[in-house]
Amino acid sequence: GAGVSQTPSNKVTEKGKYVELRCDPISGHTALYWYRQSLGQGPEFLIYFQGTGAADDSGLPNDRFFAVRPEGSVSTLKIQRTERGDSAVYLCASSVGMATDDTQYFGPGTRLTVL
Amino acid sequence: AQKVTQAQTEISVVEKEDVTLDCVYETRDTTYYLFWYKQPPSGELVFLIRRNSFDEQNEISGRYSWNFQKSTSSFNFTITASQVVDSAVYFCALSEYGNKLVFGAGTILRVKS
Repeated sequence: GAGVSQTPSNKVTEKGKYVELRCDPISGHTALYWYRQSLGQGPEFLIYFQGTGAADDSGLPNDRFFAVRPEGSVSTLKIQRTERGDSAVYLCASSVGMATDDTQYFGPGTRLTVL
Repeated sequence: AQKVTQAQTEISVVEKEDVTLDCVYETRDTTYYLFWYKQPPSGELVFLIRRNSFDEQNEISGRYSWNFQKSTSSFNFTITASQVVDSAVYFCALSEYGNKLVFGAGTILRVKS
């Protein structure tokens, strides 16, 4: 079946602009996660959803970042007033549920470049 | 706080050599899960294995094997008879309550023909 998809694959923007990154999870997966991966680093957790609600947003770096999942499927990560330090690959993952042993399956990521 | 350490930044081997990627973790949880993911040049993280804290049996899958030792908080990954297609970045990860993953910094594996 189809895996996790993310759009766009690449996004180049200018400092101060607003961007939206989209994630479409595996069908039937109720949990959805966002991570950020900087060059040469492992992914870092940002936020996760169980259904429509954000179960944990403790990884969001500041209030310029927020994410929604209004219908419990597709999610959008929104970044306001982008800064050069926001440049990274943003990864989305989904899992069947939110249990500790549920495996997360990752999408290909969106590479965000802030000029 | 939970932490995963992959001390090997980069490893280079010649094809057909065996190679072991180290992973050391820290957690105060008694129930936790450990994972290995592969990130090939295409960039997508590929799930390899999940292991729970109550199961210390080693696991073998084809040329891949994993050695979990709670006594040393290690979860090492061995590739036997490496191939060029194994070249990738490998990440070890630990799951916290709610399945939030904590990743190590990754080990770059280069397999030369």
